[in-house]
Amino acid sequence: GAVVSQHPSWVICKSGTSVKIECRSLDFQATTMFWYRQFPKQSLMLMATSNEGSKATYEQGVEKDKFLINHASLTLSTLTVTSAHPEDSSFYICSARDPGQGPNQPQHFGDGTRLSIL
Amino acid sequence: DAKTTQPTSMDCAEGRAANLPCNHSTISGNEYVYWYRQIHSQGPQYIIHGLKNNETNEMASLIITEDRKSSTLILPHATLRDTAVYYCIVSPNSGNTPLVFGKGTRLSVIA
Repeated sequence: GAVVSQHPSWVICKSGTSVKIECRSLDFQATTMFWYRQFPKQSLMLMATSNEGSKATYEQGVEKDKFLINHASLTLSTLTVTSAHPEDSSFYICSARDPGQGPNQPQHFGDGTRLSIL
Repeated sequence: DAKTTQPTSMDCAEGRAANLPCNHSTISGNEYVYWYRQIHSQGPQYIIHGLKNNETNEMASLIITEDRKSSTLILPHATLRDTAVYYCIVSPNSGNTPLVFGKGTRLSVIA
């Protein structure tokens, strides 16, 4: 079945640094991937839609200059948290759907990246 | 905003069937009902989805009412590993449409 992989699964870094998170579709090509953020005891909140070969679409309230998204290939989207601060600490999750399985298939999610900013 | 309403939490005895309800009274004709679950500190796991017919797979069964305004996810024999937050989501079946998560139901399976 479709598999979405994220890396790293866990990262701790100092305030002010930038952190890059990768999301890969392992056995399918995805022109669209989605990035979510989840704070403790809350649900997943959509941050942005990553589009291969074009600019990402950000949800209201998400700073595009803060959260840089690059979808340079059909199997890889990256989210870079620039100049990270403690309030950016969260669980970041990506998802994608395998269009090759037909029009009636669900989104699959990565295992998430836990980001802790000190 | 999420278009579904689910109970905040439920308990189920191990080995018994877990029946998780979901209301989606404003569902549109082209929207599917998806169920996912999230075990602590992991990404959401797909369980099952359907349009109007009842569906069954190796994980669960999905019962959708005839008017499509509500559905029930059934875990036939709950185990401790089924303890998780279960999300019911309605969405068009399109690869370009993100899933919008509500608060879900926290299912606790008790030994």
